[in-house]
Amino acid sequence: QSALTQPASVSGSPGQSITISCTGTSSDVGASNYVSWYQQHPDKAPKLLIYDVTNRPSGVSNRFSGSKSANTASLTISGLQAEDEADYYCNSYGSGSTWVFGGGTKLTVL
Amino acid sequence: QVQLQESGPGLVKPSETLSLTCTVSGGSINNYFWSWIRQPPGKGLEWIGYIYSSGSTNYNPSLKSRVTMSVDTSKNQFSLKLNSVTAADTAVYYCARYLMINGLAYGFDYWGQGTLVTVSS
Repeated sequence: QSALTQPASVSGSPGQSITISCTGTSSDVGASNYVSWYQQHPDKAPKLLIYDVTNRPSGVSNRFSGSKSANTASLTISGLQAEDEADYYCNSYGSGSTWVFGGGTKLTVL
Repeated sequence: QVQLQESGPGLVKPSETLSLTCTVSGGSINNYFWSWIRQPPGKGLEWIGYIYSSGSTNYNPSLKSRVTMSVDTSKNQFSLKLNSVTAADTAVYYCARYLMINGLAYGFDYWGQGTLVTVSS
């Protein structure tokens, strides 16, 4: 079970949009819609942003959106704000009824 | 509001067994997948495994030989045991809830605050 592949870092200016990719295989990301995204601020527990590829839990800003094409899922954050600076992780249900996380992406708001 | 709280020793000696318990309050433990997830200092998240409220389990293949999870529905608690620990097992350990039902997966929607476990003599 290998970690999903995410870019180590991305950056953007306030008001801009950024996209974080999450690449897996046909056994995990490509196999189902069970892809979710998490935001983690320093020394805090992760927070669920997106589930089932595109769905936002109640209370999560509509500036966060998710998508998927084949073995790659993506998280887009529009209208970047300073408070969005954090680490972001993708997660997918995979083969053998297991879950796997991406390596994480550090977002810097310039 | 559902809350999860990890508890257990913060220091474990090499080769011994790490034991943690997660107490669920504000909701039932039934009909959910309950996972343990860890994060070594400065590194990413690693899924350790899950236990369903019925007691069925599944573990990360890389840790499977050393992991045991159990659930006590009467106490709304579930537990993790990781044996033969080394320094590489030093991490913040989180417990988290996952709901999968009717073909939909709702993600890890509730997390504990995390507890740092250090493996050192």
